[in-house]
Amino acid sequence: GAGVSQSPSNKVTEKGKDVELRCDPISGHTALYWYRQRLGQGLEFLIYFQGNSAPDKSGLPSDRFSAERTGESVSTLTIQRTQQEDSAVYLCASSSQLGEKLFFGSGTQLSVL
Amino acid sequence: SQQGEEDPQALSIQEGENATMNCSYKTSINNLQWYRQNSGRGLVHLILIRSNEREKHSGRLRVTLDTSKKSSSLLITASRAADTASYFCAASGGADKLIFGTGTRLQVFP
Repeated sequence: GAGVSQSPSNKVTEKGKDVELRCDPISGHTALYWYRQRLGQGLEFLIYFQGNSAPDKSGLPSDRFSAERTGESVSTLTIQRTQQEDSAVYLCASSSQLGEKLFFGSGTQLSVL
Repeated sequence: SQQGEEDPQALSIQEGENATMNCSYKTSINNLQWYRQNSGRGLVHLILIRSNEREKHSGRLRVTLDTSKKSSSLLITASRAADTASYFCAASGGADKLIFGTGTRLQVFP
């Protein structure tokens, strides 16, 4: 596609439910990143992929968070048993090369009630 | 971690004035990047400066890099109300994750 696409744009869920966030990177981009941004805060690094591999998962806040990428394309970020503190905008970005210019999606606004 | 830290946290200026934001980082870098964010959603890449460059221009933007001080600055000249946004730096060690700072919130008054 022309840009990075994230879905859904907004997600409201109840505490304890599982959610899946999707990211479609720019075609051909081998690097893919997930970040979390709480209201008025900076970007918190979660995880990055080089191809389908995630060399560094240390940014994931807890074992309730997981992510995968398939076909060097789509990535999903899954949050199990959501908590209110998970409420944030989740941003995905892709790049043609690790450490180079990032192209961001518009994010998914997650609200946990 | 290559974390960038921006300074100041917030900046308010009048249209036509220049805005300067600073970024400091911790270890050796391959490049340093600046991004803009409007309304809390996706970030837009502004400019990338490599470790062997000292200054770079793009339109009204001027970025400097001082690797000896591990710092960078972003200058926006002749600011406009449309420049109102949050600005983030991100330091890259190379084939690595990009870590962003907490950002500078710029308000430009008409």
